[in-house]
Amino acid sequence: QVQLQESGPGLVKPSQTLSLTCTVSGGSISSDDYYWTWIRQPPGKGLELIGYIYFSGDTHFNPSLKSRVSMSVGASKTQFSLKVTSVTAADTAVYYCARGNHGTASFDIWGQGTMVTVSS
Amino acid sequence: QSALTQPPSASGSLGQSVTISCTGTSSDVGGYNYVSWYQQYPGKAPKVMIYEVSKRPSGVPDRFSGSKSGNTASLTVSGLQAEDEADYYCSSYAGRPWVFGGGTKLTVL
Repeated sequence: QVQLQESGPGLVKPSQTLSLTCTVSGGSISSDDYYWTWIRQPPGKGLELIGYIYFSGDTHFNPSLKSRVSMSVGASKTQFSLKVTSVTAADTAVYYCARGNHGTASFDIWGQGTMVTVSS
Repeated sequence: QSALTQPPSASGSLGQSVTISCTGTSSDVGGYNYVSWYQQYPGKAPKVMIYEVSKRPSGVPDRFSGSKSGNTASLTVSGLQAEDEADYYCSSYAGRPWVFGGGTKLTVL
């Protein structure tokens, strides 16, 4: 079955760029049925959708983060990535990648999450 | 501030039922039948429990049910069990990237 796994640095300095990759195993991202999503959760707080990308490269971002966020699909079609520029302490969170499913209009598969701390 | 409003906490005794509300607007919850609910244990990733307002994914107990009236969606857990104690989040499509509720901590007494 399809599994997702996040990877990337756990510590990022303020004003720098946060970069994470999600590796999809047991399948590829080459389908219009799904949208590949990044969601974050600050410590002790709720979930916030950052945005999502289709295998075509089409992207949709949370308006509150749009100016600092970019996403891309890897050439192998088994990875997708997130970049958040000019990070501050407010970007400290657990970052999840997840599969959005058009058939169920829900996020049906999630990675285990990776904690990213913004600190000097 | 979250886009969707949930009560911070809810509780019920073993075997009883509890309902968690999720209030939005006509631009999200009220405008689409695309409300989903997620269960999250501490330190774990969320898991979808309900999608499209009232549908259950395979493997989710039928003790979990969802409904919607106007701009408010609801998750009902019947026959509460100890393992139902978790955080629950609602989510809705909003004509823009999806929005989430602030989460409700369910305590089983």
